[in-house]
Amino acid sequence: GAGVSQSPRYKVAKRGQDVALRCDPISGHVSLFWYQQALGQGPEFLTYFQNEAQLDKSGLPSDRFFAERPEGSVSTLKIQRTQQEDSAVYLCASNAGLKIYNEQFFGPGTRLTVL
Amino acid sequence: DQQVKQNSPSLSVQEGRISILNCDYTNSMFDYFLWYKKYPAEGPTFLISISSIKDKNEDGRFTVFLNKSAKHLSLHIVPSQPGDSAVYFCAASRMEYGNKLVFGAGTILRVKS
Repeated sequence: GAGVSQSPRYKVAKRGQDVALRCDPISGHVSLFWYQQALGQGPEFLTYFQNEAQLDKSGLPSDRFFAERPEGSVSTLKIQRTQQEDSAVYLCASNAGLKIYNEQFFGPGTRLTVL
Repeated sequence: DQQVKQNSPSLSVQEGRISILNCDYTNSMFDYFLWYKKYPAEGPTFLISISSIKDKNEDGRFTVFLNKSAKHLSLHIVPSQPGDSAVYFCAASRMEYGNKLVFGAGTILRVKS
């Protein structure tokens, strides 16, 4: 596709359930980012991949959050034992990573609601 | 510790007039700044950017101004159109951190026709 796609678009989970969120970046984009956006706030950085290497995971809020990008394209964000405070929109973004100043292209997000 | 602040939660402007959205940052190490626009149920869409070596960047109806000494940037939209109604996010980054973006909380712009 032409843009970044994410699935599912909406996910409802019971507290304690594990969830997996998928991101398909723009084809050929080297860099991939995950952000978390709480209601009424701006997106907050979670983690960053360059190809398959996870170069920065400083924004992951706890060890229940895990991200991978095994083949350097599709990425999965996994949240184990979900809690109510995990309810948010999870955004994925990619960029070509070739120039310093190129912008990030965002997907539509996955809205996670934990009951 | 909010490093990027958008102090106006909302702004209402008449169609055809100028919209000015403001953003302040605290980290003097930021060297690249971006504005994104977001419609409901969609991801943020890139609008315009500026590096710290410039004080102005223009693209059509959109102009971003950067005042490094005041750690302040603004987005001007002239003339404003009803389709500009959206949430606008200011973001900042440091190049050595792989373009990780730090976002403000956003400003809701309503352009009235």
